[in-house]
Parts: sequence; structure tokens; C-alpha cells
Amino acid sequence: GAGVSQSPRYKVAKRGQDVALRCDPISGHVSLFWYQQALGQGPEFLTYFQNEAQLDKSGLPSDRFFAERPEGSVSTLKIQRTQQEDSAVYLCASSARDRASGANVLTFGAGSRLTVL
Amino acid sequence: AQTVTQSQPEMSVQEAETVTLSCTYDTSESDYYLFWYKQPPSRQMILVIRQEAYKQQNATENRFSVNFQKAAKSFSLKISDSQLGDAAMYFCAYRRMEYGNKLVFGAGTILRVKS
Repeated sequence: GAGVSQSPRYKVAKRGQDVALRCDPISGHVSLFWYQQALGQGPEFLTYFQNEAQLDKSGLPSDRFFAERPEGSVSTLKIQRTQQEDSAVYLCASSARDRASGANVLTFGAGSRLTVL
Repeated sequence: AQTVTQSQPEMSVQEAETVTLSCTYDTSESDYYLFWYKQPPSRQMILVIRQEAYKQQNATENRFSVNFQKAAKSFSLKISDSQLGDAAMYFCAYRRMEYGNKLVFGAGTILRVKS
């Protein structure tokens, strides 16, 4: 597609439920990032993939958070046994190196808003 | 670790006027990128402007320009001829030079534009 697509846009979960958030990056984009954005705050890094390899997961807040990108395209962020503090917008971004400038051009999706009751 | 600080939680500007949003950062790196992103209520993060630290010339994109002071680690955004569509949350962000590095964001500044 033309942009980064995320689903669902909104998710309400009861505390303790598992959730899965999907990111469909721009076709051909090698790099994929997940960020967590709490209400009124800036996004915070969760994890980074280069193709199917998860190269950095230092931002995942606990072992309840798990991300995968098995075929190097679509990625899923899974949160197990959700807690109220997991309520946030989860942003996905993908990037590729711009051939003309050599710059890393990052495109964000519209995010998935998770509310844990 | 790198940090980004935006000290203005909220700013207001009259339509057609100019406003400046502040950003400071901390890093021990000599080469890096700095960005300003706009996030409207739709949540889509939109790149406004980018600055490479090794370039002395301040970046400009139409009505948007930056004042990059490397020694002071300051990176402010100036919006000229403000328009109603500029109203949004603005985030300053830092990234190390190497490909694939994560963005480090500030807490954001809400910009309100009055007609």
C-alpha cells in the first residue's frame, strides 16, 4: 500500500486479556519500528526489526510484550495479560534508505489505541 | 543515553503570525540527525523538517525553518505565517547517524492557532 497500515485502530481489552496489534509496512521497507505513546507524551521506542531479524528489543517494558515479523513484512505486537498501564497508542513506522540522499526516510502509521479496563 | 527536552507544554499563535518552538537535547555523539514531527488529532506522525548535525546551514521547508545551535545543543522550530492547519502536537526528535537507529522524542508541545 501507499502508507503504513495499522489495525485495529482502537482496541478495548479487559485487564488480563491478550491483545495483538498488526502493522503492515510500506512494501519493500527493510526497517520496522514499534513505539508506545502514552497520553500527552512523546513516543517511546519499543523494538526494531531489520527484515525478519529483531535487532533491538531493549524498549519492551516487560516480558509480557512480544513482537515478531516472521517474513520480513507484516509485524505483530502482542501484549499478554494486559494491565492498565499498557493503555497507550502503539505506533508502527517503517523506513528505507532514500537512494538519492542516502537518508533514512521514516513513515509512521496512524497507530492503534489500546485501552485496558 | 540521549535525551530530548521540550520545555513548552503549550504555545499559542495568532493566524498569520510567527511562533518558535524550543527544543534542547543531550548527546555525546558528534554526528546525528534532528527532526521536528507534527502529530494532528488523527495521530499520524508527519515529518516537518530534518537537520543533519554536520551541516552548518539551518534547514528550511517552506514556512518552517530551524535554528540549530550545535554547541548549545539547541534545535528550535520557527513557523512563519501560521495557519489553522498548523495546530497540532509538535515533537522534537533525535537519531544517531547509523542506519536503523531509533528516534528519541521529546514530550511534545501543543500548538494552538487562533483565528
